[in-house]
Amino acid sequence: AAGVIQSPRHLIKEKRETATLKCYPIPRHDTVYWYQQGPGQDPQFLISFYEKMQSDKGSIPDRFSAQQFSDYHSELNMSSLELGDSALYFCASSPRGQAGDQETQYFGPGTRLLVL
Amino acid sequence: AQTVTQSQPEMSVQEAETVTLSCTYDTSESDYYLFWYKQPPSRQMILVIRQEAYKQQNATENRFSVNFQKAAKSFSLKISDSQLGDAAMYFCAYRSTTSGTYKYIFGTGTRLKVLA
Repeated sequence: AAGVIQSPRHLIKEKRETATLKCYPIPRHDTVYWYQQGPGQDPQFLISFYEKMQSDKGSIPDRFSAQQFSDYHSELNMSSLELGDSALYFCASSPRGQAGDQETQYFGPGTRLLVL
Repeated sequence: AQTVTQSQPEMSVQEAETVTLSCTYDTSESDYYLFWYKQPPSRQMILVIRQEAYKQQNATENRFSVNFQKAAKSFSLKISDSQLGDAAMYFCAYRSTTSGTYKYIFGTGTRLKVLA
């Protein structure tokens, strides 16, 4: 079965640089969620999109922005990177607006971001 | 605001034995969803089991079952016939049913070690 695709899988950036993380949800999933998991921590919710509109916002820094496109893929843009942004960034998708398992989020493999 | 607590940072179990991981949560909502996710060393988040709060029957998935005590706000995971491949971090997660708020709230995780 198709899964959530995230790219790149690994990313190394310098402080103050920008990064763009991409997420391709499972086909026919219309909702995308972004989470940040620091070393030894639990995933923290950043932001979510439903039908290309932002639906919920968590602890996302103002330096970060995200959007969902017409093909339902999503991008997380991170600017002025700081050392503390080093983390594993997960994207998850669910079929909220469609028949099926609307409540369960299916996670991608994550993008490991290292800021030097 | 909802909170999820996993009070066992680490647990160990002998291969083929049974182990129970604890999770408690706090919410004022009457309808919600609870999940257990497994995160092996690859750090992929894998759904183990889910429970709908309106269902009194405890969910089961093969060797995995839950003990859902709604009044006590407790949601423990039982792993029977433990296998080496069960070694991982296990996260308990809460999902609201309030419109527009579908993010997961995770506990801090329990690291499960399986001893041969």
